[in-house]
Amino acid sequence: GQQLNQSPQSMFIQEGEDVSMNCTSSSIFNTWLWYKQDPGEGPVLLIALYKAGELTSNGRLTAQFGITRKDSFLNISASIPSDVGIYFCARRYFGNEKLTFGTGTRLTIIP
Amino acid sequence: GAVVSQHPSWVICKSGTSVKIECRSLDFQATTMFWYRQFPKQSLMLMATSNEGSKATYEQGVEKDKFLINHASLTLSTLTVTSAHPEDSSFYICSARGSGDEKLFFGSGTQLSVL
Repeated sequence: GQQLNQSPQSMFIQEGEDVSMNCTSSSIFNTWLWYKQDPGEGPVLLIALYKAGELTSNGRLTAQFGITRKDSFLNISASIPSDVGIYFCARRYFGNEKLTFGTGTRLTIIP
Repeated sequence: GAVVSQHPSWVICKSGTSVKIECRSLDFQATTMFWYRQFPKQSLMLMATSNEGSKATYEQGVEKDKFLINHASLTLSTLTVTSAHPEDSSFYICSARGSGDEKLFFGSGTQLSVL
């Protein structure tokens, strides 16, 4: 199936810095989801977006559903050590309950 | 939030044996469950969709006779890797969706190592 392209592939930041990552698709869809995965664990849902242009926050995390319905971004403000992990975007097609996951962004915090 | 329990967390088996992985929804009824496979440093790839009381739907390229899925109740789906080989070694993750719920909740995954 079609893959979602996430960028950057990896990030190395210092604690306290803000983080921004995005996800793009060649086709439109009606649901954007952002997940975080810790090593050896399943993904945990961070934010769900259902409308084009929607901007949603969850604590220090903010995500937006692009107006074109083909992209989304996730921002993390004032990063802390527990933010380390892999962040995946995921999308769902109209009338289809299956999720397609992005390629992932690996976040590392440099001491 | 909803809890999905996956068991075992890890399993090591000999080549040629079969391994069963369980996925349970603990506090909701899951009409649909999904099984994913994740190779190291890669994304999650959907293997199959499991609907309670009916046959699973497999993604293209996934062998249904090798990866047997049973969704016999609204709280349990199982994935059996039959005649496992080293190339089947991977991280297997299930997810569950309740009736009328847009969100999916994931299990903690099962690391399968085939020797």
